[in-house]
Amino acid sequence: EAGVAQSPRYKIIEKRQSVAFWCNPISGHATLYWYQQILGQGPKLLIQFQNNGVVDDSQLPKDRFSAERLKGVDSTLKIQPAKLEDSAVYLCASTSQRGNTIYFGEGSWLTVV
Amino acid sequence: GNSVTQMEGPVTLSEEAFLTINCTYTATGYPSLFWYVQYPGEGLQLLLKATKADDKGSNKGFEATYRKETTSFHLEKGSVQVSDSAVYFCALSGNNNDMRFGAGTRLTVKP
Repeated sequence: EAGVAQSPRYKIIEKRQSVAFWCNPISGHATLYWYQQILGQGPKLLIQFQNNGVVDDSQLPKDRFSAERLKGVDSTLKIQPAKLEDSAVYLCASTSQRGNTIYFGEGSWLTVV
Repeated sequence: GNSVTQMEGPVTLSEEAFLTINCTYTATGYPSLFWYVQYPGEGLQLLLKATKADDKGSNKGFEATYRKETTSFHLEKGSVQVSDSAVYFCALSGNNNDMRFGAGTRLTVKP
C-alpha cells in the first residue's frame, strides 16, 4: 500500500515569495491533515479536511495560508507571501476513521530566506 | 479546545535505565491517545495507542495506560537502549478526529 505522498521535499524561497505544497493521502482515507512543525517543536495542526470539507482551520493564518482539497482526494497548501517565520517542515497526514492510526508523509521542508 | 501537555526535555539516561515521559491531556468527550516517535532524520511514526479508558498500548517494550481519572497517558519503558534515542510526542484525537500533539520530549540514551 502506498503511503502519504508529498512534494516537493525541499524548497528554498525568499521572503514575500509564494510556495505551494502538494499531498496525496493513502487511498480511501477520508481525513487529511496539514501540520506545521518548526524545528524543536511539536507538529501544529493547520487544517483538517473530511473529504472535501474543512473540519478545523482555527490555527491556519488565513491572511497568508490557504489550502484546498477540491475533489476530496489530494490537497494543496499555499503560502503567499512567505515570511521568515514560515520556515518549517510541512507535514501531510491522513486517516480512515476516528481512533485509527494517522499516517504521515515525509514532509516538505521549507526555508524562507 | 483539546490539548496535550508533556514533560519537557531533554531527558538523558544510561542504557538499561527506566524511562518515564509524562503526558496529560485536556479534552471533551472520549479522545483516543497516542505516542509517536521521531528518530533522527526520519518522519513521525506511531509507537502505540489506546482508544478508551484503562486501555494499555504497548510496542517495542514501551507501554502507556489511558488513565481517565488523572487525564494522563505516561510513556514507560523498563530498560532503554541507545537505539531508543529519539523525540517522543504525545498526541490525542478528539471527537472530530482532530489530532493534537504535545511539544515533544527528546530522549538521549548513553551507552
